[in-house]
Amino acid sequence: NAGVTQTPKFQVLKTGQSMTLQCAQDMNHNSMYWYRQDPGMGLRLIYYSASEGTTDKGEVPNGYNVSRLNKREFSLRLESAAPSQTSVYFCASRTGTRETQYFGPGTRLLVL
Amino acid sequence: AQTVTQSQPEMSVQEAETVTLSCTYDTSENNYYLFWYKQPPSRQMILVIRQEAYKQQNATENRFSVNFQKAAKSFSLKISDSQLGDTAMYFCASLSGGYNKLIFGAGTRLAVHP
Repeated sequence: NAGVTQTPKFQVLKTGQSMTLQCAQDMNHNSMYWYRQDPGMGLRLIYYSASEGTTDKGEVPNGYNVSRLNKREFSLRLESAAPSQTSVYFCASRTGTRETQYFGPGTRLLVL
Repeated sequence: AQTVTQSQPEMSVQEAETVTLSCTYDTSENNYYLFWYKQPPSRQMILVIRQEAYKQQNATENRFSVNFQKAAKSFSLKISDSQLGDTAMYFCASLSGGYNKLIFGAGTRLAVHP
């Protein structure tokens, strides 16, 4: 099993450009999450999807949108990128019956 | 609001020695879980150990163990027989709120020296 996969691994954007970060999991997990990690800080929750068809805001949702495309896939969209969104983005998933979240390898995003 | 505090930004230890990383947390919930994650230079987040708040017994995983003091809201990680591969950032995290709110501390950078 691949676990949680993310694409792309690295991306450079100009201010105002849009892009979508993709995440997929093959563990049949119900819940999926998007986090960002900034220097000197732990991960902060952007959005999550507790189950297929539902999404909710986390700590830092401004400037982002998400789509739970199906049970496997959960995408994060930046409609108009800003330099403050330069960060490393992690996707995670967990089952409905266990508490542990499993993380993808991360996407490094640089907004110029 | 939930908070997790790691007061040691950096630590170092000699290979084969023991090191303890500190973590304190604040939550108003009765049912919650605590985790330590390891992040090596590859940036992959790897689960090291987890603790259920309702269990009094401290969790252990091979060379890794925790000292869970519920009343003091303290959750420290002890690494025994440190190895060079333990060099990484270590994050303490607290989970509650229907298991969808995972709150991380700022992390402790651990360097293991030969």
